Amino acid sequence: QAVLTQPSSLSASPGASASLTCTLRSGINVGTYMVYWYQQKPGSPPQYLLRYKSDSDKQQGSGVPSRFSGSKDASANSGILLISGLQSEDEADYYCMIWHGSAWVFGGGTKLTVL
Amino acid sequence: EVQLVESGGGLVKPGGSLRLSCAASGFTFSSFSMNWVRQAPGKGLEWVSYISSSGSYIFYADSMKGRFTISRDNAKNLLYLQMNSLRAEDTAVYYCATEAQGELGYWGQGTLVTVSS
Repeated sequence: QAVLTQPSSLSASPGASASLTCTLRSGINVGTYMVYWYQQKPGSPPQYLLRYKSDSDKQQGSGVPSRFSGSKDASANSGILLISGLQSEDEADYYCMIWHGSAWVFGGGTKLTVL
Repeated sequence: EVQLVESGGGLVKPGGSLRLSCAASGFTFSSFSMNWVRQAPGKGLEWVSYISSSGSYIFYADSMKGRFTISRDNAKNLLYLQMNSLRAEDTAVYYCATEAQGELGYWGQGTLVTVSS
């Protein structure tokens, strides 16, 4: 079982909100981890969006709009990237990342389609 | 302006070696930890290796241990990745990226490594 699992795809309409999940493997407690989020558009390297551990321990990337935010769902053992007021430019691949076992681990990525 | 420029990629036969370089400019290279991250064609991101700002701490992904070696030359603002015993599954775009508190903030445009006979 992968350390981090993300849905492979998600579709949402312009103006709506999208909730992208990053589920940690059973036995790895999301509450103890900082979860990082990256956006990647075709043909470009990834860009850092934000990190989230708790409401008191989080950080927005420089220049990243406030409509991108992080949270957690402890009951689902998941980190969440919430994008509100979806715009066409938000169409991209999104990756979560944690530091686990002396290694950075990426989720498999979610392709977000805005249509 | 921060710039990271990877080089050294290309076509190599299985079992062969390559050394990638990442030239940094526009920031104090010696103050930043660095990472290599790769992406196979049409696939997701895969972390490869980390090196601390001084080079004292180094980590590798399990599948690269014993085959890849990360190093840096702070006097020349260069990051390296020596890759040996290359396999077809190592085919990917290799990115270098700065790291500060887990934020992989600046990325290069990547260099393509193709392992094929």
